[in-house]
Amino acid sequence: SYELTQPPSVSVSPGQTARITCSGDALPKQYAYWYQQKPGQAPVLVIYKDSERPSGIPERFSGSSSGTTVTLTISGVQAEDEADYYCQSPDSSGTQGVFGGGTKLTVL
Amino acid sequence: QLQLQESGPGLVKPSETLSLTCTVSGGSISSSSYYWGWIRQPPGKGLEWIGSIYYSGSTYYNPSLKSRVTISVDTSKNQFSLKLNSVTAADTAVYYCARVIVVVLAANWYFDLWGRGTLVTVSS
Repeated sequence: SYELTQPPSVSVSPGQTARITCSGDALPKQYAYWYQQKPGQAPVLVIYKDSERPSGIPERFSGSSSGTTVTLTISGVQAEDEADYYCQSPDSSGTQGVFGGGTKLTVL
Repeated sequence: QLQLQESGPGLVKPSETLSLTCTVSGGSISSSSYYWGWIRQPPGKGLEWIGSIYYSGSTYYNPSLKSRVTISVDTSKNQFSLKLNSVTAADTAVYYCARVIVVVLAANWYFDLWGRGTLVTVSS
């Protein structure tokens, strides 16, 4: 079955740049999406179609894609950005939904 | 503004059937622009897609759950539902319903709006 691979954890100091990667064989052909999940809350979409930002999401959140890897970048990290982040993308057929294992972002 | 709300029993016995309903308010479930999906998250673990449905009844399921899952839609009530049979403790999770955006001309989709989730515990 298709898999998306994320690092389990990323740590940064406030004001620095956090980069969270997600790798998958179908990513050159499929858009990827990123969700932020804070404890006890439902996930929130922060990036769609690799690099688009939904209304209401701060400009410090950005996304990029290169080959089989997509990257979520958070510039000028704030304490409130501490959360779990999940990438998501369908498999190459578009019929199966897949989430990465999630990355816990810690703001030191 | 469209909202989704999960409802159903919070406790299910092993080997029985888990049944949840998602009520959509502030918009029509019969919109041709969207699918509707279920996602779950075991305590302390990651997200798992369960399946998605179109208002016409067309469905897609996670292959790992397909033999036990049925997702249905009731357009008259603006609801869609999840049934998962033969549950075990491994099915204990927070279950979310969500709206699915399909990217036109691409075999690609994502979840743009989520319900708050409901915890279902499988235990005798």
